[in-house]
Amino acid sequence: GENVEQHPSTLSVQEGDSAVIKCTYSDSASNYFPWYKQELGKRPQLIIDIRSNVGEKKDQRIAVTLNKTAKHFSLHITETQPEDSAVYFCAARGNNAGNMLTFGGGTRLMVKP
Amino acid sequence: ETGVTQTPRHLVMGMTNKKSLKCEQHLGHNAMYWYKQSAKKPLELMFVYNFKEQTENNSVPSRFSPECPNSSHLFLHLHTLQPEDSALYLCASSLRTTNEKLFFGSGTQLSVL
Repeated sequence: GENVEQHPSTLSVQEGDSAVIKCTYSDSASNYFPWYKQELGKRPQLIIDIRSNVGEKKDQRIAVTLNKTAKHFSLHITETQPEDSAVYFCAARGNNAGNMLTFGGGTRLMVKP
Repeated sequence: ETGVTQTPRHLVMGMTNKKSLKCEQHLGHNAMYWYKQSAKKPLELMFVYNFKEQTENNSVPSRFSPECPNSSHLFLHLHTLQPEDSALYLCASSLRTTNEKLFFGSGTQLSVL
């Protein structure tokens, strides 16, 4: 089945700097890659997603890039703000039975004011 | 309240207790999910229901018993749990099981003594 690795597990940046979180996946047939943000004590929420027919997608300060050849995708947050502090999860939908999402282990991002 | 609602928010139980977690969605979705979130581990899919029929059981021990009486309600019945079952249990829903955007509840933080 699909295996998703996420790095780093923790990331600390200064307010205003950029943050990059990377994920690799194992199933070359995977075709959908969402990112979820979970603030402390709150529910995970989808913040951006990308499909395999697109190499990059942007939404204001966040962007996701996909390299299908290398089987990795990344979340980029520019001009970070304290409210970006949260745990971020990547996921991949492989070509397995039921097309279920497989999640990465999460990255705790801390933005220092 | 709209969205996905889970009760209770916190639950402490002994290993011999029987308890149930409840999830309700008001989004008109057809698919509902139970996920387990443990510290420093990826989100683990436990069960999937599509139009109230179970379509996925991810090798979950029988001490966890799901029930889906209709597309809007999902239960997780707990019996003779172990301390290692302590975790945050998240319910989610989506329009279809092809797993586009997941909407999560706030979770039940379970402690097994």
